[in-house]
Amino acid sequence: EVPLVESGGGLVQPGGSLRLSCAASGFTFSSYAMSWVRQAPGKGLEWLSLIFGSGETTHYADSVKGRFTISRDNSKSTLYLQMNSLRAEDTAVYFCAKAKISGSSSPFDFWGQGTLVTVSS
Amino acid sequence: EIVLTQFPATLSLSPGERATLSCRASQSVSSYLAWYQQKPGQSPRLLIYDASNRATGIPARFSGSGSGTDFTLTISSLEPEDFAVYYCQQRNNWPLTFGGGTKVEIK
Repeated sequence: EVPLVESGGGLVQPGGSLRLSCAASGFTFSSYAMSWVRQAPGKGLEWLSLIFGSGETTHYADSVKGRFTISRDNSKSTLYLQMNSLRAEDTAVYFCAKAKISGSSSPFDFWGQGTLVTVSS
Repeated sequence: EIVLTQFPATLSLSPGERATLSCRASQSVSSYLAWYQQKPGQSPRLLIYDASNRATGIPARFSGSGSGTDFTLTISSLEPEDFAVYYCQQRNNWPLTFGGGTKVEIK
């Protein structure tokens, strides 16, 4: 197994900020792209952002571009998602996910357990 | 953005029956399509990647086919643990996108 453990979720007011973390172990973290995917209550999966292994290349969904920033610390095998200007519609379970193939964006062969972010006043 | 449309939204079947799930892309994704299974309260699990390759540990009753814009996930004989929601996902273009899901429920 390849544990991915998210943390950092919680309740935040609209307009607020939160930083999610995803601690990885069991594989060469720097060799694989990592993504954040979210799932609003009772809804489907939404890909948000990806960062390739070196950390130099990132991609974002339009829904979060300019508000969320993905980053990674390969020395700590940890992935991050800085979320700013949060809105009610950002309420969801946030998953981190590992790309199956080194150098590829996806598919995602391992997922964390998810961390719940609730945006509400 | 490539839109993935999954149908039917819900499939009501009995254990032992064959399930056929469809995923249609708004433009070609070549063979860069994956399928995931998600059960309530769990993270998604990769089943099929690049249209027809079974992921590690996935039973042979799961198979995928298709290319371009039309894809199919087939479960040859449903086991009780197969009742879940299934999602397709493409990696041919940015942004990566998921389909809306098909729920396979017990009839």
